[in-house]
Amino acid sequence: EAGVAQSPRYKIIEKRQSVAFWCNPISGHATLYWYQQILGQGPKLLIQFQNNGVVDDSQLPKDRFSAERLKGVDSTLKIQPAKLEDSAVYLCASSLRLGTSGQETQYFGPGTRLLVL
Amino acid sequence: GNSVTQMEGPVTLSEEAFLTINCTYTATGYPSLFWYVQYPGEGLQLLLKATKADDKGSNKGFEATYRKETTSFHLEKGSVQVSDSAVYFCALSGGGSNYKLTFGKGTLLTVNP
Repeated sequence: EAGVAQSPRYKIIEKRQSVAFWCNPISGHATLYWYQQILGQGPKLLIQFQNNGVVDDSQLPKDRFSAERLKGVDSTLKIQPAKLEDSAVYLCASSLRLGTSGQETQYFGPGTRLLVL
Repeated sequence: GNSVTQMEGPVTLSEEAFLTINCTYTATGYPSLFWYVQYPGEGLQLLLKATKADDKGSNKGFEATYRKETTSFHLEKGSVQVSDSAVYFCALSGGGSNYKLTFGKGTLLTVNP
């Protein structure tokens, strides 16, 4: 079974530029998550989708971050404009479904490492 | 809100030493508990999990027991190997309609030959 795919793996941009990250979850997984992992810290949830609907985006800085999952499969996370403090690893994860015990385990992609100069 | 506290690292051990990484949590209800591992240059991998009190999760020689009375989920391994060198994250997932993970800050483990 293929895992969660993410691209690009690395990105370097200057502040005030825009950037987009792509995620393809495990086939059949209804739930998709984007996390931000700043160096030396644990991942922090940015946004959670169930199919193509948003479940939780309470920690997403909506003035500059946006995300979509139009067909309930792939997802894109965008930052516009980027700030220095956005330098981090952006992780995508997916799980089979919510609300069913044992099926909410999240599987992570390799991440996109973003450096904002 | 939910929170996870892990012992501060880094932890440096010799091969075949005993490993304990402490993890305590604060949560409402009955969360599921997880240990994830992140090897250098790689993404997070699920190491083990426990979904209810007194459950023991185990994998690759690692074990952790869900202790509700002490709100703890300590990770242990009897004999570490050089290949176990990685960052270990304790995490919890709350119930209800939102299963987002709340992570600890991570503990860097280095095992020397």
